[in-house]
Amino acid sequence: DQQVKQNSPSLSVQEGRISILNCDYTNSMFDYFLWYKKYPAEGPTFLISISSIKDKNEDGRFTVFLNKSAKHLSLHIVPSQPGDSAVYFCAASIDGQNFVFGPGTRLSVLP
Amino acid sequence: NAGVTQTPKFQVLKTGQSMTLQCAQDMNHNSMYWYRQDPGMGLRLIYYSASEGTTDKGEVPNGYNVSRLNKREFSLRLESAAPSQTSVYFCASSGIAGRRTDTQYFGPGTRLTVL
Repeated sequence: DQQVKQNSPSLSVQEGRISILNCDYTNSMFDYFLWYKKYPAEGPTFLISISSIKDKNEDGRFTVFLNKSAKHLSLHIVPSQPGDSAVYFCAASIDGQNFVFGPGTRLSVLP
Repeated sequence: NAGVTQTPKFQVLKTGQSMTLQCAQDMNHNSMYWYRQDPGMGLRLIYYSASEGTTDKGEVPNGYNVSRLNKREFSLRLESAAPSQTSVYFCASSGIAGRRTDTQYFGPGTRLTVL
């Protein structure tokens, strides 16, 4: 049973609009979350993180929201750019060192 | 800085052959990890090494062995490859001593096919 779920395998968004990627988790012990971005033939690269003591973290065009009661987090990208087209992985951790990854969502930003 | 490097980039094996995937990091990180990525499955942890001299099993360790050769290097060995081990393998590192939470930095991956 997957502890971290990304129920949308793919998402298409028009350039300049908002992209919203969702992630749900089942283990209430998770208290630290990361988003990674992955281009084809490359390793994942860190995008943004959030600790469970916060409900929002912002970094430029990227904002992550955490709803602990719903065990849900989302990544907002505003405005979306063609270079944002990639696979996005959500990851969760109890100890801050070992992470459980979701299956990923492929984002396509259309020009 | 090269970050995390992995060799080889691609490999084709026959069932039953053995091979070692190499990983090195130059960021002075304490922890190193091996993941495999399969379609629709995300990244699954095979083994990790929290510090030099220690290794622990992850979610999917069967069929693999690891060696933390020194602080920089962490290798993954397949003793008798099986088609189910066809995957993309990623090495990662993290961990500055004393920090509870830390980002993992990934290598470019090794694409392995077992026939």
